[in-house]
Amino acid sequence: EAGVAQSPRYKIIEKRQSVAFWCNPISGHATLYWYQQILGQGPKLLIQFQNNGVVDDSQLPKDRFSAERLKGVDSTLKIQPAKLEDSAVYLCASSLAASGNTIYFGEGSWLTVV
Amino acid sequence: GIQVEQSPPDLILQEGANSTLRCNFSDSVNNLQWFHQNPWGQLINLFYIPSGTKQNGRLSATTVATERYSLLYISSSQTTDSGVYFCAVEPLRGSTLGRLYFGRGTQLTVWP
Repeated sequence: EAGVAQSPRYKIIEKRQSVAFWCNPISGHATLYWYQQILGQGPKLLIQFQNNGVVDDSQLPKDRFSAERLKGVDSTLKIQPAKLEDSAVYLCASSLAASGNTIYFGEGSWLTVV
Repeated sequence: GIQVEQSPPDLILQEGANSTLRCNFSDSVNNLQWFHQNPWGQLINLFYIPSGTKQNGRLSATTVATERYSLLYISSSQTTDSGVYFCAVEPLRGSTLGRLYFGRGTQLTVWP
């Protein structure tokens, strides 16, 4: 069974530029998550989708971050304009259903903003 | 929100040694997972263990939900066990279903 796929793996951009990350969850998984992990910390939830609807985006900095999950499968996370503090690993994860299920993570997308 | 505390923050072992990592959480949980983050950043599932005991090879985990803690045991450690171990929990109430809260992790270094 294929895991959660993410791209690109690494990205370096200048501040105020934009960047987009793509995620393809495990087939059949209804719930998709984007987490942000800053160096030395545990991951923090940015946004959670159930199929193509947003369940929780309370910690998403909406002035610069946006995410969508069209057709309830793939998802993209966009940052525009990027700030230095956005340097982090962006982790996509998926699970069969929202609660009480194992959550599987992709390899992550490393972002460096210079 | 729920608090998740992991200890110790850092652990250095010689190959072959055993270790115990601890995760304390401040409220009842619906889900608890242990992850190993490899040097390339990927979070690898080790256990889904909201309660009880599980074993997988040299690793085992126990969660005592009523006392709000979980333990991860690593026996006969190998250099490939190095990395950061995270505990993550989904609160039973007061939070979005499925949302995981992570501890700060335990950095394990195993020397040959």
